[in-house]
Amino acid sequence: SQTIHQWPATLVQPVGSPLSLECTVEGTSNPNLYWYRQAAGRGLQLLFYSVGIGQISSEVPQNLSASRPQDRQFILSSKKLLLSDSGFYLCAWSKGGGEAFFGQGTRLTVV
Amino acid sequence: GQQLNQSPQSMFIQEGEDVSMNCTSSSIFNTWLWYKQDPGEGPVLLIALYKAGELTSNGRLTAQFGITRKDSFLNISASIPSDVGIYFCAGRSLPGAGSYQLTFGKGTKLSVIP
Repeated sequence: SQTIHQWPATLVQPVGSPLSLECTVEGTSNPNLYWYRQAAGRGLQLLFYSVGIGQISSEVPQNLSASRPQDRQFILSSKKLLLSDSGFYLCAWSKGGGEAFFGQGTRLTVV
Repeated sequence: GQQLNQSPQSMFIQEGEDVSMNCTSSSIFNTWLWYKQDPGEGPVLLIALYKAGELTSNGRLTAQFGITRKDSFLNISASIPSDVGIYFCAGRSLPGAGSYQLTFGKGTKLSVIP
């Protein structure tokens, strides 16, 4: 069966520090991968999606970037965090046009 | 871009009551998904709908894919305290550019009073 792992679960980072959130999927190949941000427990904003290794599409211009170094690995990064980057970050995967399955999320607090 | 209007935004109901929420879209979708999110966790898929008019149940949950392909509803029968959470609808457009992207509603926050 397929599983998705996202870490860390919580993170407190100072303003201006770098960020790296990781997501890996097991039990499938060539998944579509997504990063979402959720503010205040409501609404999911799509940040990035990837349909293959090295293929990243950005939905919202921002202080973040994403990379897909391996088929089942998706990384969300920032060189310098802003206070406004605080939020709940969710990784998800789907197979083509099917259902999307989410990781457990990372609560990021920028202080 | 595509927009999903989900209503109501929040609900306070008595335990045992039935619940109904819906989503409408400004464009046609070929997939409707319903998720539930508990605090501090990722959304969990409840029901997936792939055909216009499709009616699918999962225990006490029932969801329908609207005939026009622009709407869907979710019903919860005989609510219990563990139904508390935020429910999201999500839609995927017809095959073509961007069809692998999901558009999410803003969620319905459900509170159940014992």
